[in-house]
Amino acid sequence: NAGVMQNPRHLVRRRGQEARLRCSPMKGHSHVYWYRQLPEEGLKFMVYLQKENIIDESGMPKERFSAEFPKEGPSILRIQQVVRGDSAAYFCASSPIQATNEKLFFGSGTQLSVL
Amino acid sequence: TQLLEQSPQFLSIQEGENLTVYCNSSSVFSSLQWYRQEPGEGPVLLVTVVTGGEVKKLKRLTFQFGDARKDSSLHITAAQPGDTGLYLCAGPDSTGTASKLTFGTGTRLQVTL
Repeated sequence: NAGVMQNPRHLVRRRGQEARLRCSPMKGHSHVYWYRQLPEEGLKFMVYLQKENIIDESGMPKERFSAEFPKEGPSILRIQQVVRGDSAAYFCASSPIQATNEKLFFGSGTQLSVL
Repeated sequence: TQLLEQSPQFLSIQEGENLTVYCNSSSVFSSLQWYRQEPGEGPVLLVTVVTGGEVKKLKRLTFQFGDARKDSSLHITAAQPGDTGLYLCAGPDSTGTASKLTFGTGTRLQVTL
């Protein structure tokens, strides 16, 4: 029973390139959340998606960042024209229903390094 | 904006010692969660506390939710090297959904032999 799968685990990009981070939720989970963890900072909420819908993107920067969760395939977090400040660990979590006090299952994250 | 402050930031202790870490806020939370995160991995949920004054035990870990639901503590008895990690508290936003968890900055615990 695979958990939340994120790939790649490590991603190196030069300034100005695009970064694509993938997240496959746990089997049976239709709700996906993306969080970002900057060095020496806590996890910050970015976006919450259900299949084919963005439910809450209030934590995501308005420019250069986008997220999708298509009907088929993984959720994608896309960062265009990356800058050094985008270097962080990006975590995806999933839940079977909209999580209230229920458990969020986190993936192992993608460590993005921008040179 | 709801903020969660955790203390201490860093804690290095020897195996067998007891310790307490704290999670404080000026805001009321409908619930609080504690996670442990190991290097290179995502956070793993340890416990959720919901009722003010609630105490939950998980083996050698004791979690308490403050009466006013603004703070929480985690006490570890007889710490072991396997307890090493980053301990994070988190609470849902004011709408009560976990879709926007607010995380504390964490307490990094190191337990040495």
